Amino acid sequence: AQKVTQAQTEISVVEKEDVTLDCVYETRDTTYYLFWYKQPPSGELVFLIRRNSFDEQNEISGRYSWNFQKSTSSFNFTITASQVVDSAVYFCALSEYKLVFGAGTILRVKS
Amino acid sequence: DAGVIQSPRHEVTEMGQEVTLRCKPISGHNSLFWYRQTMMRGLELLIYFNNNVPIDDSGMPEDRFSAKMPNASFSTLKIQPSEPRDSAVYFCASSFSSGTTNTGELFFGEGSRLTVL
Repeated sequence: AQKVTQAQTEISVVEKEDVTLDCVYETRDTTYYLFWYKQPPSGELVFLIRRNSFDEQNEISGRYSWNFQKSTSSFNFTITASQVVDSAVYFCALSEYKLVFGAGTILRVKS
Repeated sequence: DAGVIQSPRHEVTEMGQEVTLRCKPISGHNSLFWYRQTMMRGLELLIYFNNNVPIDDSGMPEDRFSAKMPNASFSTLKIQPSEPRDSAVYFCASSFSSGTTNTGELFFGEGSRLTVL
């Protein structure tokens, strides 16, 4: 069965700090996809990134970076130089044949 | 381009009433998902359609919940009779998938906030 664990329920940082959101997953499949979504206070769910299980290259997009390690079944998300606008709930998700979300991490960035 | 369209955005009803939530997926997408979000349970997948066929409805809470997808451009989620514990935000999402494996990015609607008094 597929499962996603986001152990950090809530993180508070001060603006310009770096912050890493942890994600650990469980799956029996060798082919799967991992995702991160952002849910700002307005409530919509915004896609951030998708990785397939055969691509372990880390990815950087502006202030966002993702570290995928199959050996530890982790797909962590780092925000560099955080900003107040980064305040949101962040969800990690795993797809074998359906997308299952973790519980989410609330990120509060204070000015 | 229009995204996933859900209606109503907000619904307040009394216990025992029937509630119907509607979703129009993105044109060309062949997979449709209904999720429910609550503080206690987070984002739960209720049901997943591929090419209008229900593939997995194991997340549907009980017989009071039913979902249909009569064609590629429309889906409904019905609750009858509604109960206060059904209060939640219901999201519809669509994507394009090859076969029944969901590999694509899900595009979410803005959600329908349901309050059952």
